[in-house]
Amino acid sequence: DGGITQSPKYLFRKEGQNVTLSCEQNLNHDAMYWYRQDPGQGLRLIYYSQIVNDFQKGDIAEGYSVSREKKESFPLTVTSAQKNPTAFYLCASSISLRQPQHFGDGTRLSIL
Amino acid sequence: AQRVTQPEKLLSVFKGAPVELKCNYSYSGSPELFWYVQYSRQRLQLLLRHISRESIKGFTADLNKGETSFHLKKPFAQEEDSAMYYCALPSGGSNYKLTFGKGTLLTVNP
Repeated sequence: DGGITQSPKYLFRKEGQNVTLSCEQNLNHDAMYWYRQDPGQGLRLIYYSQIVNDFQKGDIAEGYSVSREKKESFPLTVTSAQKNPTAFYLCASSISLRQPQHFGDGTRLSIL
Repeated sequence: AQRVTQPEKLLSVFKGAPVELKCNYSYSGSPELFWYVQYSRQRLQLLLRHISRESIKGFTADLNKGETSFHLKKPFAQEEDSAMYYCALPSGGSNYKLTFGKGTLLTVNP
């Protein structure tokens, strides 16, 4: 089903490389979010965006960057400054902040 | 700071038995809580939110402000209920964020 599409499903990064994870939604949602999921840690918020051209840091923003140039798209860049990037990354969106979030299938990032 | 605690990483019950997944929170103010579920090979999805006061797939959750809990309950568990369950608490104010618990993996045995 559509809704939120994350790509790629699997991503490998070399040391010192930046990589960008894609998140697109066709739900006409204003708010979008990025989470990191580690075993036994639950979901932790990296960044969120309430509206186009606006975004805020979450709990673990260091080593990550985002942009929100279009309503449908909220890409996440994992920079070389992120020392432990291996994780499962989930993108979500909601009609507005405080409304239930819809999640994508996730991207699994691994370091070579 | 707000916090969500799910004390059980794993919970195993038999089909037809009652199930209760625990969630405790710390929050100053009037909280709004959610339960999200992730079935095997499916996306994380909303199960229910306390303001709706509805029963989804036979599950209910009551907010107990005195005990600061929002436990998820079902009187008769089914095998298809096996999944990872997350309790979540939104922050108040202008800096919004949803804090998730670490999750409880429920296994319903035949």
